[in-house]
Amino acid sequence: QKEVEQDPGPLSVPEGAIVSLNCTYSNSAFQYFMWYRQYSRKGPELLMYTYSSGNKEDGRFTAQVDKSSKYISLFIRDSQPSDSATYLCAMTRSGGSNYKLTFGKGTLLTVNP
Amino acid sequence: ETGVTQSPTHLIKTRGQQVTLRCSSQSGHNTVSWYQQALGQGPQFIFQYYREEENGRGNFPPRFSGLQFPNYSSELNVNALELDDSALYLCASSSHDRGPQETQYFGPGTRLLVL
Repeated sequence: QKEVEQDPGPLSVPEGAIVSLNCTYSNSAFQYFMWYRQYSRKGPELLMYTYSSGNKEDGRFTAQVDKSSKYISLFIRDSQPSDSATYLCAMTRSGGSNYKLTFGKGTLLTVNP
Repeated sequence: ETGVTQSPTHLIKTRGQQVTLRCSSQSGHNTVSWYQQALGQGPQFIFQYYREEENGRGNFPPRFSGLQFPNYSSELNVNALELDDSALYLCASSSHDRGPQETQYFGPGTRLLVL
């Protein structure tokens, strides 16, 4: 079993739709949860970051973490064609020496105008 | 504040050759992490360098090695290239001293093709 599971999609939605992206994980030591966005042929860029359980909102984006279920989500409201990208969930432990990121496979999202 | 840069952007090598990839970290950062991203996959942690020392390694063989220089830039070296080494190689810059919540900023990557 992989430490982080993410449905690779692809996901295609019309402009203005609400998008829900999800990851599950198996390592209960993960405490920090991130969502990265990666445009084609570019490096990942941090979109949202959440510590432990709870919700965080930033404009059209909402990140949710449910540690009891080992489940994290990213919601995109009023999706735009510019949101078309691969979305990667990532997580790291609070302990350890190097805070390496463990990523999901990524979900390819296309928002159609 | 300059971002993370990587060179070269693309590279084609043949099986058995050796390759060196380079990364310049963001100003003020002392830590560089290297990741391998195969097509259709998420990035996989190769290793991290903190203050010129290796600070953790993922599940990669010893033919993957690295260096960090006093200015915190870094190199990734891969010997005896195999076809499966074809991937996007990403470096991420951060400041380890600020803890796990510190953002890792990624460069644009080097796309390596091994024939």
